[in-house]
Amino acid sequence: GNSVTQMEGPVTLSEEAFLTINCTYTATGYPSLFWYVQYPGEGLQLLLKATKADDKGSNKGFEATYRKETTSFHLEKGSVQVSDSAVYFCALSSGTSYGKLTFGQGTILTVHP
Amino acid sequence: GAGVSQSPSNKVTEKGKDVELRCDPISGHTALYWYRQSLGQGLEFLIYFQGNSAPDKSGLPSDRFSAERTGGSVSTLTIQRTQQEDSAVYLCASSSPGQGGAAGEQFFGPGTRLTVL
Repeated sequence: GNSVTQMEGPVTLSEEAFLTINCTYTATGYPSLFWYVQYPGEGLQLLLKATKADDKGSNKGFEATYRKETTSFHLEKGSVQVSDSAVYFCALSSGTSYGKLTFGQGTILTVHP
Repeated sequence: GAGVSQSPSNKVTEKGKDVELRCDPISGHTALYWYRQSLGQGLEFLIYFQGNSAPDKSGLPSDRFSAERTGGSVSTLTIQRTQQEDSAVYLCASSSPGQGGAAGEQFFGPGTRLTVL
């Protein structure tokens, strides 16, 4: 079956630090990969996505590259801000699952000034 | 435009009671999903509706859980004889035609926080 494994948090960084949150997956077929973010007091929202191997998703300074050979989709940002403090979820949707998402366990990110 | 809405935002109930949670998807979205977010289990898929097709119920944890979608729009998730382990945030999401498959971008509601005493 499908599964997603994220690096465990919480992750605490100072403003302007470099961020990496690791994500690896197991899936049947050729999945689409996503990062969702949940800001404090808000609902889940899509941060970025990639639908095929070697695609790079990007948004708000965050990037992630779909690596089929390592089954990974690591999230990176070169310089984090306090406003990036949130919970980040890696997720996949495989072609056989009609779009239903399989999520990782989530990583709490706290950025200090 | 209006996003996905859910009601109630919070629900506290006693063990053994039935509860109904409501989801209003974005207008025109044919796909609707229910997920559950709990401390022990993370974010789990529960059920999926797509148009007039039979729902995918593969994520429902027990036969106490059921859901329906009337008129291809509003959905209700019902939990019968609630147990303490049902305490969680129940999230609803919807997606538009053609986006619910491999490329699916799902738009999530704010969730209903259910507490079973």
